[in-house]
Amino acid sequence: NAGVMQNPRHLVRRRGQEARLRCSPMKGHSHVYWYRQLPEEGLKFMVYLQKENIIDESGMPKERFSAEFPKEGPSILRIQQVVRGDSAAYFCASSREKISYEQYFGPGTRLTVT
Amino acid sequence: LAKTTQPISMDSYEGQEVNITCSHNNIATNDYITWYQQFPSQGPRFIIQGYKTKVTNEVASLFIPADRKSSTLSLPRVSLSDTAVYYCPLIYNQGGKLIFGQGTELSVKP
Repeated sequence: NAGVMQNPRHLVRRRGQEARLRCSPMKGHSHVYWYRQLPEEGLKFMVYLQKENIIDESGMPKERFSAEFPKEGPSILRIQQVVRGDSAAYFCASSREKISYEQYFGPGTRLTVT
Repeated sequence: LAKTTQPISMDSYEGQEVNITCSHNNIATNDYITWYQQFPSQGPRFIIQGYKTKVTNEVASLFIPADRKSSTLSLPRVSLSDTAVYYCPLIYNQGGKLIFGQGTELSVKP
């Protein structure tokens, strides 16, 4: 019974490059959430998706960031033209239903922008 | 969603009971209280949730007073492996995003 899977676990990008972070939710889960954790800070909500729909993107920066959760395949968080301030740990979580107190988190992707 | 405030750090010894308090003065009627544990380089892990009064599961208890402006996570007889950061994110109306505060770094010593 695999948990939430994220890849890559570590990603190094140079300023201006694109970063693609992938998240496969737990089996049977159709709700995906992305969070960002800057060094020495708590987690910040970014976006909430269901299959093929963005439900809440109130935490997403207006530019350079996008997310999708296609009908088939993993959820993707895409960061274009990365800057040093994008360096952080990005966590994906999933839940079976919308009405769920418990979100299952993946191990995170640590993005380093050089 | 309402903001949460917790002590930045706490120290304890093995075998003691630890109580971590979270303040959420502006909690809304539809907000639920959850607690998560996070170890270094890992994603948070759900511990417990509640709306009001007391909730207990196999690992912790959660106490919520009638006014719901605070909550207390109680960990009985902590061990070294309980050393972690504990968060009390609120969740709106049973679903959707979690709003995390700074968290409490608990250090359990032998």
